[in-house]
Amino acid sequence: ETGVTQTPRHLVMGMTNKKSLKCEQHLGHNAMYWYKQSAKKPLELMFVYNFKEQTENNSVPSRFSPECPNSSHLFLHLHTLQPEDSALYLCASSQAGGGTAHGYTFGSGTRLTVV
Amino acid sequence: GESVGLHLPTLSVQEGDNSIINCAYSNSASDYFIWYKQESGKGPQFIIDIRSNMDKRQGQRVTVLLNKTVKHLSLQIAATQPGDSAVYFCAENKRSGGSYIPTFGRGTSLIVHP
Repeated sequence: ETGVTQTPRHLVMGMTNKKSLKCEQHLGHNAMYWYKQSAKKPLELMFVYNFKEQTENNSVPSRFSPECPNSSHLFLHLHTLQPEDSALYLCASSQAGGGTAHGYTFGSGTRLTVV
Repeated sequence: GESVGLHLPTLSVQEGDNSIINCAYSNSASDYFIWYKQESGKGPQFIIDIRSNMDKRQGQRVTVLLNKTVKHLSLQIAATQPGDSAVYFCAENKRSGGSYIPTFGRGTSLIVHP
């Protein structure tokens, strides 16, 4: 375990469903991130939260809605997704500024399949 | 064995050989660079980083070289082991507001044959 825990590990949902991904970190970090990892593509940054405030929204469609109630928890709410949204969704955390020598700490991801 | 930037996504080597994974980056203003390793079913894991004012940094069995003139980064793994089989990503970090935001490369898959 890296200290960043994501649940569920796998999720299959229909296009009309609503589901949420959860991320929790116990590293004392105060910045959290959502990334999308698709096959044969670089990691895509989706959202950044510093001290619970969203500081980056990388042109993500509104069918993805993040929530950060505190510095230890991050959610990604999903609704009316498309099959092309199927991917591995990774959560990461860091010290605010992300400038530590160890970069980001990633969770193991949620493998999402939209049917 | 050696990979050529992000255009050769797979590198196959024999156990015990040295591996070289290459990465070309685009932003000359990047402050530092990080190599990550991602094993199957796991998220990326930090391996080693290097600041933009350095040319070389060594870790345990790994060495990162930075050539700012040609914007090239490489990861050298000595005496490659089967446990090194994974996808390796380079990331360039540039400060944006209050955070360092990394831009990741596509990744190179390293396959180590026993």
